[in-house]
Amino acid sequence: GQNIDQPTEMTATEGAIVQINCTYQTSGFNGLFWYQQHAGEAPTFLSYNVLDGLEEKGRFSSFLSRSKGYSYLLLKELQMKDSASYLCAVMDSNYQLIWGAGTKLIIKP
Amino acid sequence: GAVVSQHPSRVICKSGTSVKIECRSLDFQATTMFWYRQFPKKSLMLMATSNEGSKATYEQGVEKDKFLINHASLTLSTLTVTSAHPEDSSFYICSAQLADNSYNEQFFGPGTRLTVL
Repeated sequence: GQNIDQPTEMTATEGAIVQINCTYQTSGFNGLFWYQQHAGEAPTFLSYNVLDGLEEKGRFSSFLSRSKGYSYLLLKELQMKDSASYLCAVMDSNYQLIWGAGTKLIIKP
Repeated sequence: GAVVSQHPSRVICKSGTSVKIECRSLDFQATTMFWYRQFPKKSLMLMATSNEGSKATYEQGVEKDKFLINHASLTLSTLTVTSAHPEDSSFYICSAQLADNSYNEQFFGPGTRLTVL
């Protein structure tokens, strides 16, 4: 079967760095997405990786290793507003999105 | 975990026809379901919020007569794209929110790719 695994919840301190991991097993691969979702709001696109390596975008970076079925989202200089759920999703060979359950990130002062 | 399915996964239709997309929560009851449209490598755009037994709430700019939403039961919501045109071609994703969910957690479907010729 297809599945995406990511931690249910993580806690970090304001100003610190946090890495949210995502491992996947899917039938085929057409890219991996990271979304941020604040409670009650629509998910916001953060990144899209289809090739191995690190993509940096400001305070957020996303890494992909296709051979390992692994990705991580790295958040630097954490701010209180980064408290949200972070969703990992993989597009399979049929261009269907397989969603992780999301990681709830709690930022403490 | 909570599973949400969508049917069909992919549909190709001619301009002017109507297409119905189903969203089902398979192992839980969802009082609220959401319909999104995804543009390539972009954020999901919320189209409407669907509550079981009542009319859907549409976001600004979404034509309710074009995108008909029905939420007839706690496990099924449907989106009908009426008189589809090529510009309606997109990836449509639904999500379902658990009843009595104090965290507003949503579970997403795999999406339906609509291509209008």
